[in-house]
Amino acid sequence: SYVLTQPPSVSVAPGQTARITCGGNNIGSKSVHWYQQKPGQAPVLVVYDDSDRPSGIPERFSGSNSGNTATLTISRVEAGDEADYYCQVWDSSSDHQVFGGGTKLTVL
Amino acid sequence: QVQLVQSGAEVKKPGASVKVSCKASGYTFTSYYMHWVRQAPGQGLEWMGIINPSGGSTSYAQKFQGRVTMTRDTSTSTVYMELSSLRSEDTAVYYCARGVVPAAPLGAFDIWGQGTMVTVSS
Repeated sequence: SYVLTQPPSVSVAPGQTARITCGGNNIGSKSVHWYQQKPGQAPVLVVYDDSDRPSGIPERFSGSNSGNTATLTISRVEAGDEADYYCQVWDSSSDHQVFGGGTKLTVL
Repeated sequence: QVQLVQSGAEVKKPGASVKVSCKASGYTFTSYYMHWVRQAPGQGLEWMGIINPSGGSTSYAQKFQGRVTMTRDTSTSTVYMELSSLRSEDTAVYYCARGVVPAAPLGAFDIWGQGTMVTVSS
């Protein structure tokens, strides 16, 4: 089955840029989606199809995908961005959805 | 507005079954696939399977094959997820989530239910 690998944690100071990676075999050939989850809440979609943002998501959230790595970039990080972030893809070989293990973003 | 409202928390004994509901509103129920995702305490998201509300077809993650059943009731715009032979490791929050791509199982999940806590304990 297809495996997505995320770093367990990323730390960044307020106002700086956070980059959260999601690794997978030839992930650049797939559409990657990103979710933000705060404690006690359901996940929220922040980026879909590699780099598109749903309405209401700030432009500070952006995504890219190439080769074996997809990246969620959060610019001008704010305290309110502190959360767990998950990547997700559709694995066409198994017709199953797959999530990465999640990355905890800490705002210092 | 588009929303998914799930049933309340459940406490079950090992070996029992649980059935969680997810009622959709604000959109055409049969136009979008519904997924089920669970999250054990302190752990990540785990995809369980999918149902096509239009025809009722399902696809389950291999891990849950034989233990999970997903159904739908188009008259009430509700999908159900039943998990049997419960064990302590099934203690988790269970979410329903709508697929963003009409009439297709792939793509992102744009709307999530509030989650249902299922506790398995003797």
